[in-house]
Amino acid sequence: DAMVIQNPRYQVTQFGKPVTLSCSQTLNHNVMYWYQQKSSQAPKLLFHYYDKDFNNEADTPDNFQSRRPNTSFCFLDIRSPGLGDAAMYLCATSRDLEMVRERVYEQYFGPGTRLTVT
Amino acid sequence: KNQVEQSPQSLIILEGKNCTLQCNYTVSPFSNLRWYKQDTGRGPVSLTIMTFSENTKSNGRYTATLDADTKQSSLHITASQLSDSASYICVLYSSASKIIFGSGTRLSIRP
Repeated sequence: DAMVIQNPRYQVTQFGKPVTLSCSQTLNHNVMYWYQQKSSQAPKLLFHYYDKDFNNEADTPDNFQSRRPNTSFCFLDIRSPGLGDAAMYLCATSRDLEMVRERVYEQYFGPGTRLTVT
Repeated sequence: KNQVEQSPQSLIILEGKNCTLQCNYTVSPFSNLRWYKQDTGRGPVSLTIMTFSENTKSNGRYTATLDADTKQSSLHITASQLSDSASYICVLYSSASKIIFGSGTRLSIRP
């Protein structure tokens, strides 16, 4: 009964070759997040979708794009991966945003995709 | 200066022993504070969620405390097990819908 699923778990791509990571959820949550986590560091939020509204973090490089074709799926596209983009990419969901309903909403993480750039 | 700082960075204890992990923060105001457990190569899993008005929250052998005056939170693990070996991350959800992660404490349990 996996709730947040990420595919593939491991991805190897070549320097400069576009790559897409996928995330799907069975929770019917409104919000989906993409994080980048490098070794021994905290996850870094790249962007999130509230329903179809896309919210980009100010310091997220243009090299990173995202698509959310429907409630269940969200994709992370890296247009021209560099060696510095090698990391674990985590997808997460939550029912809603904190401020929208002034309530606490638990965030559920997927198992992550480990991206290697050669 | 990080808004959420955790200590120690890493910790090794023997199986069966107790331990306490610390989280100091400067974020104010905030909506809630969460502790996550992250196994190697896996996504974080929520252990506890505390609003700013709560002082303590337990989840089995895990007990989190929150002192809003000193801006400190701790995660206490009792009777540690080998499966407790993981990174433990303190996360603040600010009132502006910002999510601020600590860099985590790497805990290793030795038999």
